[in-house]
Amino acid sequence: DAGVIQSPRHEVTEMGQEVTLRCKPISGHDYLFWYRQTMMRGLELLIYFNNNVPIDDSGMPEDRFSAKMPNASFSTLKIQPSEPRDSAVYFCASSFSYVSSGSYEQYFGPGTRLTVT
Amino acid sequence: TQLLEQSPQFLSIQEGENLTVYCNSSSVFSSLQWYRQEPGEGPVLLVTVVTGGEVKKLKRLTFQFGDARKDSSLHITAAQPGDTGLYLCAGARAGTYKYIFGTGTRLKVLA
Repeated sequence: DAGVIQSPRHEVTEMGQEVTLRCKPISGHDYLFWYRQTMMRGLELLIYFNNNVPIDDSGMPEDRFSAKMPNASFSTLKIQPSEPRDSAVYFCASSFSYVSSGSYEQYFGPGTRLTVT
Repeated sequence: TQLLEQSPQFLSIQEGENLTVYCNSSSVFSSLQWYRQEPGEGPVLLVTVVTGGEVKKLKRLTFQFGDARKDSSLHITAAQPGDTGLYLCAGARAGTYKYIFGTGTRLKVLA
């Protein structure tokens, strides 16, 4: 398997523009997570899906952020309008359901580095 | 509010030295994971611990989960330049699918 695929790898945009980040999870995984990483705040969970349904979006910073998962092999994270403080690396991760140990393994994509000027 | 504090934040050591990284919280976790992240890449899972007092070894890396399941440590024996990276702990509370990540420890091993 190719692992979690994210696109684009780098995105530079101007304040006020719409930004769409894309993610293809590992085939067969039923959980998908979106994270944001900054030096100041570390790695933060934004939202996660189970079987394409959003389960917890409490980490989404504000209404400018939205995420969708139209099918098991694709998800998007959209920021509209973008602001300079949204500059960060955004990661997508996928996993399979709980295993017998009561935990699960998350496989992260390479991330999208977003710069908003 | 950062639930998982890691120490030290930064560590620069010579090849061959030993080191320990700590992950502390006031919360109880049902499982705790350690990841390593290299520049330009996503975090990669190293280990998962789920039982209080559990010790797991991965070659030169030893992971321990505290008896009360509130803290964990990562010990590296005879560090090598390939161990360089950002080490992250992540804990999940019982009944949730959410892992909260720690503040991170950035390790540099000099040849």
